[in-house]
Amino acid sequence: KAGVTQTPRYLIKTRGQQVTLSCSPISGHRSVSWYQQTPGQGLQFLFEYFSETQRNKGNFPGRFSGRQFSNSRSEMNVSTLELGDSALYLCASSSWTGHSYEQYFGPGTRLTVT
Amino acid sequence: AQTVTQSQPEMSVQEAETVTLSCTYDTSESDYYLFWYKQPPSRQMILVIRQEAYKQQNATENRFSVNFQKAAKSFSLKISDSQLGDAAMYFCAYHYGQNFVFGPGTRLSVLP
Repeated sequence: KAGVTQTPRYLIKTRGQQVTLSCSPISGHRSVSWYQQTPGQGLQFLFEYFSETQRNKGNFPGRFSGRQFSNSRSEMNVSTLELGDSALYLCASSSWTGHSYEQYFGPGTRLTVT
Repeated sequence: AQTVTQSQPEMSVQEAETVTLSCTYDTSESDYYLFWYKQPPSRQMILVIRQEAYKQQNATENRFSVNFQKAAKSFSLKISDSQLGDAAMYFCAYHYGQNFVFGPGTRLSVLP
């Protein structure tokens, strides 16, 4: 079974620009979550999508948005980039198997804002 | 709100020795999930082990095992026969419903 894939792996953008990151979950997983990881704030939850609907949202400004497609692939968009948005963005796909919950992460997209 | 605490920012262990990483959490729920993730320098977050709170038996995955103390809200990770490849950041995480909360991480160094 293929793992979670994220594209692109690295990205450099300028302040004020916007960016779109993509995540393809593990086959059969319908839930996709996004996290921001920075040295100062650690891992912070951005949002979760399930069956094309945003099911949960973290404490981030409206510049951060996402969506999920019918094939469970998800995109995350950040508009009007700020220097503080430089981070590793991790996508995770998850599913319930019986009474067990599993969540697996992709390799991440390293975003640098200059 | 649920919180996860890892009180050891850094730990080191000699190769082939055993090390225990601590994790405590705060919740009012009774049926939840706990995880340990490993993040090596490559930055790929890897699931190490998971524990369902309704199970009394501690989870074990090869050299990795947990000591789950539900009443104390403690979830420590024991790594036996440590290997150089175990060097990484280790994150403890809590999951209930739509909440997934990570601890700040413990950086583990393995000394040859």
